[in-house]
Amino acid sequence: DVKVTQSSRYLVKRTGEKVFLECVQDMDHENMFWYRQDPGLGLRLIYFSYDVKMKEKGDIPEGYSVSREKKERFSLILESASTNQTSMYLCASVGADRMNTEAFFGQGTRLTVV
Amino acid sequence: AQTVTQSQPEMSVQEAETVTLSCTYDTSESDYYLFWYKQPPSRQMILVIRQEAYKQQNATENRFSVNFQKAAKSFSLKISDSQLGDAAMYFCAYRGWWGGATNKLIFGTGTLLAVQP
Repeated sequence: DVKVTQSSRYLVKRTGEKVFLECVQDMDHENMFWYRQDPGLGLRLIYFSYDVKMKEKGDIPEGYSVSREKKERFSLILESASTNQTSMYLCASVGADRMNTEAFFGQGTRLTVV
Repeated sequence: AQTVTQSQPEMSVQEAETVTLSCTYDTSESDYYLFWYKQPPSRQMILVIRQEAYKQQNATENRFSVNFQKAAKSFSLKISDSQLGDAAMYFCAYRGWWGGATNKLIFGTGTLLAVQP
């Protein structure tokens, strides 16, 4: 079974803290994505990576950075958490060939910044 | 830039009836994939159906089928014989195909489907 695992299901952090959200996949997928999900706004792409050390900004990269040092791991970093970053964060991975077009998702991390 | 638009925030259908969810997208690429994902209350995203842009034939998966109109950039999902378990948020998604940065996977804002018994 394909597995995408996010390090935490629920997280509470204080304003100004540096926050790390980790995502690990075991399918050797080239592409990995970070989204935030808010009511009425759908899934908005924060960053994605199509290879180790390669990253591309999504639609809402401000206030976030990412790291992909190994193929299986994609980290989302909130440099200085703010209350408007309270949200559900979803990680996904997908392969690069036509036999692997389905994206697989982690269980989500609900982050609350107080 | 590519965009995906779902203009129906909420829909409702009677059990055993048919419902169609709408999706439009914008892209300048010729080769891409389109998807419908389902997100039940458990929050786990589940692939419902996919369509390859270079295939003219509409995809079908049991009770789920799509109407893919490439020229109009329209990709609607039809659910036949609706069941209570179909109640969920449905997301339309687009993914480019030419490698690297074009592999971006983007989603619409979702349609919340309620199924009435």
